[in-house]
Amino acid sequence: GAVVSQHPSRVICKSGTSVKIECRSLDFQATTMFWYRQFPKQSLMLMATSNEGSKATYEQGVEKDKFLINHASLTLSTLTVTSAHPEDSSFYICSAASGRAYNEQFFGPGTRLTVL
Amino acid sequence: QQQVKQSPQSLIVQKGGISIINCAYENTAFDYFPWYQQFPGKGPALLIAIRPDVSEKKEGRFTISFNKSAKQFSLHIMDSQPGDSATYFCAASKGRDNFNKFYFGSGTKLNVKP
Repeated sequence: GAVVSQHPSRVICKSGTSVKIECRSLDFQATTMFWYRQFPKQSLMLMATSNEGSKATYEQGVEKDKFLINHASLTLSTLTVTSAHPEDSSFYICSAASGRAYNEQFFGPGTRLTVL
Repeated sequence: QQQVKQSPQSLIVQKGGISIINCAYENTAFDYFPWYQQFPGKGPALLIAIRPDVSEKKEGRFTISFNKSAKQFSLHIMDSQPGDSATYFCAASKGRDNFNKFYFGSGTKLNVKP
């Protein structure tokens, strides 16, 4: 149980375009979802926290107009990187918390974004 | 300010040996301490987690030791295998604050040599 999927697993786009990444909890309802960014050989950096039906809470230094997060249902959250630039190239990982398993977060497999 | 400090940055262990990774935290309000294993190009997977009401938790070859007074916790991998070669992250969180926000360590790259 507690499976989280992400789509796509890899995406290559041109500079200036927007990219949408989906995060789904497959076998549980996620009251809270998190989006992380990870650079090579570095730790996970929390970008934002979202609860179903409400606005996401962004970490300091993360541009909310650039990284749009929508948590429309208890099983789906999306991250849209708007007007992507090469410096946005990174590994984006989502996680989901059900609220039942106290504190536990279940991570997705990640999405590798390359902006040319 | 880094809330969770992890060491070493990298670790090389012979097959069958014990791998030990250490983490230290500052905030005494933390009450959940998980360890994650991450393979290249994959998302982190929960290995084992502990709460501060116990000093040790063991699951198979993996053991967490927790020292509340020292604000430290460590991961021990017994009988390390080449398949354990991965990056390990410790984390900490505090109750329901910030919807279970995790504070991650910087990671330890483990290489188990055959």
